[in-house]
Amino acid sequence: NAGVTQTPKFRVLKTGQSMTLLCAQDMNHEYMYWYRQDPGMGLRLIHYSVGEGTTAKGEVPDGYNVSRLKKQNFLLGLESAAPSQTSVYFCASSYSPERGGTFRNEQFFGPGTRLTVL
Amino acid sequence: GEDVEQSLFLSVREGDSSVINCTYTDSSSTYLYWYKQEPGAGLQLLTYIFSNMDMKQDQRLTVLLNKKDKHLSLRIADTQTGDSAIYFCAESMTGGYQKVTFGTGTKLQVIP
Repeated sequence: NAGVTQTPKFRVLKTGQSMTLLCAQDMNHEYMYWYRQDPGMGLRLIHYSVGEGTTAKGEVPDGYNVSRLKKQNFLLGLESAAPSQTSVYFCASSYSPERGGTFRNEQFFGPGTRLTVL
Repeated sequence: GEDVEQSLFLSVREGDSSVINCTYTDSSSTYLYWYKQEPGAGLQLLTYIFSNMDMKQDQRLTVLLNKKDKHLSLRIADTQTGDSAIYFCAESMTGGYQKVTFGTGTKLQVIP
């Protein structure tokens, strides 16, 4: 199993450019998440999805859009990048408590994408 | 709302014990976690404790939970250079979708 993978690993954008970050997981997880990590601020949730075709806003959704057309993929889009979006972006996934068993809400993380907006 | 706080930095000598502390605000938290982030990598679950427990031990790791003070700690015995990483405290509740709230992370530096 590859787990959670993210592409690209690094990207530099100019202000106003757009890009899409791709997250893929092969664990058949229902839930997927996008976080951003900034120094001294920990992880902040941007958007999340509880299933194919559904998305919801997290703490800091402004300036980002997401789509979950396939269960295994979760895309994060920046339509018009701004310097304030310079950050490290992490995708994560977890299974649903509705599967039963002992649910501990463990999230599995990808390796991150380092984005710089000039 | 939920808030999870940690100190930003801890430095220890190799072979000593490390204690990383965390305070949280949500008394209805069900699970409390410690995640580890090694340089250039994503977070990985290190250990967790259910809220009806006071302590959990797993090899060199000891998690202590003080529900009254809403204080969580992670003790690493015989700290090794490979333990150098950022450690995140997090909390969550069960039942449907329940978001996980992460702390700011504590960077552990192990001095050889």
